[in-house]
Order: sequence, then structure tokens, then C-alpha cells
Amino acid sequence: DAKTTQPNSMESNEEEPVHLPCNHSTISGTDYIHWYRQLPSQGPEYVIHGLTSNVNNRMASLAIAEDRKSSTLILHRATLRDAAVYYCIRRSNDYKLSFGAGTTVTVRA
Amino acid sequence: KAGVTQTPRYLIKTRGQQVTLSCSPISGHRSVSWYQQTPGQGLQFLFEYFSETQRNKGNFPGRFSGRQFSNSRSEMNVSTLELGDSALYLCASSQGQAQGEKLFFGSGTQLSVL
Repeated sequence: DAKTTQPNSMESNEEEPVHLPCNHSTISGTDYIHWYRQLPSQGPEYVIHGLTSNVNNRMASLAIAEDRKSSTLILHRATLRDAAVYYCIRRSNDYKLSFGAGTTVTVRA
Repeated sequence: KAGVTQTPRYLIKTRGQQVTLSCSPISGHRSVSWYQQTPGQGLQFLFEYFSETQRNKGNFPGRFSGRQFSNSRSEMNVSTLELGDSALYLCASSQGQAQGEKLFFGSGTQLSVL
């Protein structure tokens, strides 16, 4: 079974960038890479997604390796509100989602 | 625009009982998917419905079932509850037309099986 692996936790100082890696070495050529984050007592919230090219939006950037076996979510300037569990997810062409275990991001003031 | 609504928010059941959870998607969304979240297994995909048809399912026993109504609202049913079914059950809605679209999650139903 294909796996998506992420570090358990990561710490950052406020206003500094955060780089969250994700390994998806067995990803299919048609799988999209999605990132969602989850705050306590809430459902996951969309952050960003991509297929092959790097992507930017107002929340974050997604850098996808050329071989697509890994990706990195970049929060450019972490704020206290960015403290959450971040999930790296593969979405296949049959719309199934396969979740990584999540990375808990702690932001220090 | 109202978000995804899940009811009830909390539920306590005993082993052997059955339970039905409800999910109301964002207006206009035709896809509803369900997920189980536990501390041990993390987030796992249960199944997805699109226009009243189950489009795919995850690796869960047949005790877990669902359906979708013509107004896109969805229900999930778990029969013969086991202690291990205690979890946060999340649903998400989307247009259902593309792999790259966003999913919008509800806050979940916390099920405790005693």
C-alpha cells in the first residue's frame, strides 16, 4: 500500500518561514498532492494543492520535486494562527484521499 | 454561504448498537465524502458519494455504510458497533468534478462507544 510520510512535529519562531516536507515515493502519475491543516476541534481546512508544477497562493507555497516523490509546503512567515496539524494528502483519479500522519507545527512568539 | 454541517456533534453508544450520522454539504456541492479520525490510525477515507451514487470506498468492513439523497445530504451508518469504532467522523463536500478541487470539511461527529 502506498504511503505518505511526514515528520511528527516541527517548531518555528513567529515571522520565520516553515518548510514542511512530505515523502510520497510511490505516488501515481495522476495523483494530486494536497495539503490541509487542522486546528483543535475543527475539521481540516484546505491549504494548497498541485500536480507537477510549484504552486503559490495567499496562504502558502508548494514545491514539488521533479520526480514527484516528495514535496514541501512552505509557510513564508509563520504566525501564531498557523499552529496546527498539517496533512500531506494524495488524491487519486478515483477521488480517494490517502492521508499522511500529519506534522504538528508549533509557532513560538 | 453556510458551511458543511454535521449532526450530531457528540454521540455516545454502547457495543452492538447502530448509529446514523448526518452531513449537509455546501449548497451546490454534489460530492460528499466521509472519513474516520482516530489517534492511532489518523485520518482514513471511508467512502465518497456523488449524485446519490457511491463512487468509491476505502478499506472498512461492511458494517460501515452510507447513502446520499437527492438534495446531496448524506448519512453514514455503522451497525453492530465495536469499541474500536470510537472516533471523530468527518465529512467533506465538493463539486465532485476534479481531483484538484478543494474539499470543505465539517467539524465532525465525535462518537464514543462504551
